[in-house]
Amino acid sequence: RKEVEQDPGPFNVPEGATVAFNCTYSNSASQSFFWYRQDCRKEPKLLMSVYSSGNEDGRFTAQLNRASQYISLLIRDSKLSDSATYLCVVTLSGSARQLTFGSGTQLTVLP
Amino acid sequence: DTGVSQDPRHKITKRGQNVTFRCDPISEHNRLYWYRQTLGQGPEFLTYFQNEAQLEKSRLLSDRFSAERPKGSFSTLEIQRTEQGDSAMYLCASSLVTGGYEKLFFGSGTQLSVL
Repeated sequence: RKEVEQDPGPFNVPEGATVAFNCTYSNSASQSFFWYRQDCRKEPKLLMSVYSSGNEDGRFTAQLNRASQYISLLIRDSKLSDSATYLCVVTLSGSARQLTFGSGTQLTVLP
Repeated sequence: DTGVSQDPRHKITKRGQNVTFRCDPISEHNRLYWYRQTLGQGPEFLTYFQNEAQLEKSRLLSDRFSAERPKGSFSTLEIQRTEQGDSAMYLCASSLVTGGYEKLFFGSGTQLSVL
């Protein structure tokens, strides 16, 4: 079983749609959680951290369920510029050394 | 540009040749990481440096791979006797510790193709 699992997609949605991505992790000792965004042939960039109480950043909402070892990312009112691969990232501590990346979920927002 | 820079952006080589990649981190960052990413997968940790000291290497880093960061600034990753399975994107990242966790800043990567 992979340490971090994501639905690879692709998700093809129309502009303005709401789309949700899910991610599960296997190590119950994991402490910190993130979503990264990676555009085609570009480097990953931190989108947002995921907190236990859930957090929102504009059109993006991240949720964490420690009991189920499950993380989600919700994108509302999707834009063409949201098209990218979204990587779920988990770490055992605050150290980047222990970051484990999921394989990513590909999103294409269609006009 | 004050971000992480990597050189070259693309490298095509024949099997058995040696290749070397360079990474220049953000100047005030003391940690530097190398990752490898293959198509359809997330980045996988290879090794990291705290200043000039190489503190950890992944089991993915075979004996053919060597990384250096001689003066705690730029780093090089060398692959000797390349194999087709080495074809991947090699990403460098440097980090800044803020609020109790590290924030990674990635370079644009070096895409290696071994023919």
